[in-house]
Amino acid sequence: AQSVSQHNHHVILSEAASLELGCNYSYGGTVNLFWYVQYPGQHLQLLLKYFSGDPLVKGIKGFEAEFIKSKFSFNLRKPSVQWSGTAEYFCAVTNYGGATNKLIFGTGTLLAVQP
Amino acid sequence: EAGVAQSPRYKIIEKRQSVAFWCNPISGHATLYWYQQILGQGPKLLIQFQNNGVVDDSQLPKDRFSAERLKGVDSTLKIQPAKLEDSAVYLCASSSLAGGPTDTQYFGPGTRLTVL
Repeated sequence: AQSVSQHNHHVILSEAASLELGCNYSYGGTVNLFWYVQYPGQHLQLLLKYFSGDPLVKGIKGFEAEFIKSKFSFNLRKPSVQWSGTAEYFCAVTNYGGATNKLIFGTGTLLAVQP
Repeated sequence: EAGVAQSPRYKIIEKRQSVAFWCNPISGHATLYWYQQILGQGPKLLIQFQNNGVVDDSQLPKDRFSAERLKGVDSTLKIQPAKLEDSAVYLCASSSLAGGPTDTQYFGPGTRLTVL
């Protein structure tokens, strides 16, 4: 069965530092990949998604992610983080061609940005 | 446009009691999902509706959980009787297309359930 791993459970960065959060999935077929963010007290919001085409996808708020099929990875990056980026970040996957749209989430990475 | 609405936002009950959660999806969205998010874990799908039909309920503990989506709009999720391990945030999401794997799901604020 498909699974998603986020190896960094807690990350602490200073403002202006660069960010990279790891995400790996297990199923080798065609997948659709997502990054969601949950700011304190708010609902899950979509940051970006990859379905096909250019493996480097850009999302909202300056985030980007790169799909590397050979590594089963979809890491999230941002060149410079801000204090407002403190949030929990979730990677998720759906299997292309599946009958359902079940999102399979990783356990999340809690990012704290220090001013 | 208005987002996904859920109520209540918080609920505290004792084990063996029953509880119900309500969700109103984004207007016009045909597909509705209920997820369970236990502390320290990512959300896990409980049930997916396409209009008022069930598409996937493979991870719904049917001995105690039930869900319905009458008229293909609002939905309710019920737990009866609740167990301590049901303590979690229950998230509702909706998407506009046919519920396929490339749909974007929009999430509500969730209901935080504490079972004592």
